[in-house]
Amino acid sequence: EAGVTQFPSHSVIEKGQTVTLRCDPISGHDNLYWYRRVMGKEIKFLLHFVKESKQDESGMPNNRFLAERTGGTYSTLKVQPAELEDSGVYFCASCSSGTGGADTQYFGPGTRLTVL
Amino acid sequence: SQKIEQNSEALNIQEGKTATLTCNYTNYSPAYLQWYRQDPGRGPVFLLLIRENEKEKRKERLKVTFDTTLKQSLFHITASQPADSATYLCALGYSSASKIIFGSGTRLSIRP
Repeated sequence: EAGVTQFPSHSVIEKGQTVTLRCDPISGHDNLYWYRRVMGKEIKFLLHFVKESKQDESGMPNNRFLAERTGGTYSTLKVQPAELEDSGVYFCASCSSGTGGADTQYFGPGTRLTVL
Repeated sequence: SQKIEQNSEALNIQEGKTATLTCNYTNYSPAYLQWYRQDPGRGPVFLLLIRENEKEKRKERLKVTFDTTLKQSLFHITASQPADSATYLCALGYSSASKIIFGSGTRLSIRP
């Protein structure tokens, strides 16, 4: 079974530019999450999708961040315009719904974003 | 807001010994607690999950305990090996499939 995949693995952009990160969850997982780790800090929650709906977006830092999950499969996270403080590693995770496996989140390798 | 503390930033032990990592939290107890392993440049890898009504869980050389009175989880790796060297993260969850809250991690080094 393929794991969570993320693209790109690295992105270097200049302040003011736009970047779009993509996450493909494990097939069949209804729950998809975005997290972020900025330098020296712990991994922090950004957003949770259940299928195509936003279940919890309490961690989104501001309206420069836009997450979508059209069709309830892959998700994109767009940062527009990017600022220096957006630099960090963005992780995507997914988990199934229902009893037994509902609580374990499986993480992708992350996208390292550097804003210059 | 919830605060999670993992005992130390770094822990160095001799191969073959038992490594014990600590995760303490404040405020209300989670419904479950997870431990993840993270290697440099990679995403967290799930290891074990323990629920609030469970005292102990084991998986091969790994053991996790959960004490809601002390608000603490202990993570043990027995017969440690250099390949166990990594950063270990604890994460708390409060409802099924909800977001999880991470500690800052403990970097474990096992010397031969």
